[in-house]
Amino acid sequence: QQQVKQSPQSLIVQKGGISIINCAYENTAFDYFPWYQQFPGKGPALLIAIRPDVSEKKEGRFTISFNKSAKQFSLHIMDSQPGDSATYFCAASYLGFQKLVFGTGTRLLVSP
Amino acid sequence: SAVISQKPSRDICQRGTSLTIQCQVDSQVTMMFWYRQQPGQSLTLIATANQGSEATYESGFVIDKFPISRPNLTFSTLTVSNMSPEDSSIYLCSVSRQTEAFFGQGTRLTVV
Repeated sequence: QQQVKQSPQSLIVQKGGISIINCAYENTAFDYFPWYQQFPGKGPALLIAIRPDVSEKKEGRFTISFNKSAKQFSLHIMDSQPGDSATYFCAASYLGFQKLVFGTGTRLLVSP
Repeated sequence: SAVISQKPSRDICQRGTSLTIQCQVDSQVTMMFWYRQQPGQSLTLIATANQGSEATYESGFVIDKFPISRPNLTFSTLTVSNMSPEDSSIYLCSVSRQTEAFFGQGTRLTVV
């Protein structure tokens, strides 16, 4: 119930292509869904986040799509760049953000 | 935002010894969080540290193994006790501001 399932584990995309990472959850108490980007040797950094009252949020090249009925959400990276190569974690939180549950991570490689 | 400094950034320790990791935040926060990130894995919450009270540990983590101190609103320590090679991980300190979690750069621990 506390898990957030993430796929794929790894992803290779050509420069300029679209990267898509998917997550699914079970606990309907989750009320906040962030995506984090982590570069080697660094801590995760917030990329974009969404609440379940909207179905989509876009910030620059990054878009979250949210399907409340299916309990799924996804990250789309448009026009992927080599600098986007990193590990991406979806997450979900509840209890007023006292708890943050992370997905298993997706290692993205954008080839030049 | 929040700037989090962790010390040490990395260490190699002998099994059976203990290591204390320090986390300093640039401003006062109510809760501080400690995560473990095993090699190639996701982040798992170890415990939540509140100033002036005992830390709250997640399932699978115990105070004897991971004692935490929180002497004031900007500082916390996590000790990894009686270490074994299975404790080799990255340990991350985190704080939250409104709905965003900020992370330190992590402490990469190798137990030999």
